[in-house]
Amino acid sequence: AQTVTQSQPEMSVQEAETVTLSCTYDTSENNYYLFWYKQPPSRQMILVIRQEAYKQQNATENRFSVNFQKAAKSFSLKISDSQLGDTAMYFCAFTGQSGGGADGLTFGKGTHLIIQP
Amino acid sequence: GAVVSQHPSRVICKSGTSVKIECRSLDFQATTMFWYRQFPKKSLMLMATSNEGSKATYEQGVEKDKFLINHASLTLSTLTVTSAHPEDSSFYICSASLQGVSNYGYTFGSGTRLTVV
Repeated sequence: AQTVTQSQPEMSVQEAETVTLSCTYDTSENNYYLFWYKQPPSRQMILVIRQEAYKQQNATENRFSVNFQKAAKSFSLKISDSQLGDTAMYFCAFTGQSGGGADGLTFGKGTHLIIQP
Repeated sequence: GAVVSQHPSRVICKSGTSVKIECRSLDFQATTMFWYRQFPKKSLMLMATSNEGSKATYEQGVEKDKFLINHASLTLSTLTVTSAHPEDSSFYICSASLQGVSNYGYTFGSGTRLTVV
C-alpha cells in the first residue's frame, strides 16, 4: 500500500515570500502520478500541479513548481511570490498504476499554509 | 472544463434515517467515480471506487452495507448513507477521473457536509 507523508501541519509566511511544502511517499510501483491539491476554506479541491513519475523534468505552473526526487521519493511544492489567496490547506496525493484513472488518490495529512499580509 | 456537480452541499438528518448524496459529471462521461470522506481538519480518505454498471469497490474498513454506492449511468453516481448515526457526520467528496490521469487528472465535486443529529 502506498503512503504519503506531509510533515508540516502548518506553515506561515509573509506575502511575496517563497515557501516550500514537503511531501514524501512510499510505493513499490515504478509508474505513478503525484499531485498537489489546494483546499481553501470553501473546501473545493483545486489541482495545483501534477507530476508524472517517468518524467524527470520538474513540473511548473506559473508561481508553483515542484522538486521531484524519485530516488528519495520526495515531492516538494515551491510557491514563489506568495499571495494572500494562497492561504489554504495543501494536500500531496499519489495514484499508481498506469494513470488510466481507475484508481483513486492517496492523500497526505495536509499542510495548512497561511500567508500573512 | 470538466465539472462535477455534487448535491446537496449540506444536509442534516435524524439518527436512523438514510441520506442520499448525488454526484454528476456535467460535460463529460465518467466511467469511474470516487467517494472520499474528510473529517474536520483532516485529510481525505478514499472510501470506494464507483464503476458504471458494476458494483463499487470499497476500501478496507468501509462498511458497504452502510455506504451504498450506485453508478447507474456514465454521468451519475450516488452515495447513500443508511441508518445514519452521529459518527457518520462528516464531509463527503466525490471525484472523477477524465480519460486518463496523464491527460486530465481528477476533478472534484464541491462536497457535502452531513450532520446526523
